[in-house]
Amino acid sequence: EVQLEQSGAEVKKPGESLKISCHVSEFSFSSFWIGWVRQLPGKGLEWMDIIYPPDSDITNSPSFQGQVTISADLSNSTVYLQWNSLKTSDSAIYYCVRRRGSPRGPFDSWGLGTLVSVSS
Amino acid sequence: DIQMTQSPSSLSASIGDRVTISCRASQTIRSHLNWYQMKPGKVPKLLIYATSTLEIGVPSRFSGSESGTDFTLTIRSLQREDLATYYCQQSYSNPPTFGGGTKVDLK
Repeated sequence: EVQLEQSGAEVKKPGESLKISCHVSEFSFSSFWIGWVRQLPGKGLEWMDIIYPPDSDITNSPSFQGQVTISADLSNSTVYLQWNSLKTSDSAIYYCVRRRGSPRGPFDSWGLGTLVSVSS
Repeated sequence: DIQMTQSPSSLSASIGDRVTISCRASQTIRSHLNWYQMKPGKVPKLLIYATSTLEIGVPSRFSGSESGTDFTLTIRSLQREDLATYYCQQSYSNPPTFGGGTKVDLK
């Protein structure tokens, strides 16, 4: 069974940095694009960015470009999402997703989500 | 960005009811429409991709259809385990975008 194991909930202050993770198991980390989807409290879903781990090719949503950084570590089959300076508006659940096949493929596997709370 | 307008935002139905959820794209997405099911505390699940193809393991009471830029998710006979929030998503062009969601609960 495909597994996307996400890191645990985080409580941070504005201005702090954060890196959350998504560890992949039970499928080849080098064969799929892995990305992130945000869900603001009580709101819908927004796609943020996606990475192809073998060459770190990245596609970003214009809405999130410059706000977060996606990266991948082939040695431990993990994808990361990083903030240098959090804002209260970054408080959300962040889901790790796997995209199947072509650039127009669906997100066929999801993680459980990482809750990020940013408050002073 | 392609806007996905999903309706209704919520609905109440009885077990056994036929449920339909609509999703309209702001421009053509050529059948690149996917449906997801989300339940609190559970891993979100892909139900249907490419408008009408059921993901493996998804019950056949779920179906998807399209008419131009209008897409429909139908649950033929609602079961208790179907109580959830459903999202449509276009994967035709970047960035992929989602509808606002439809919460299905019991009448």
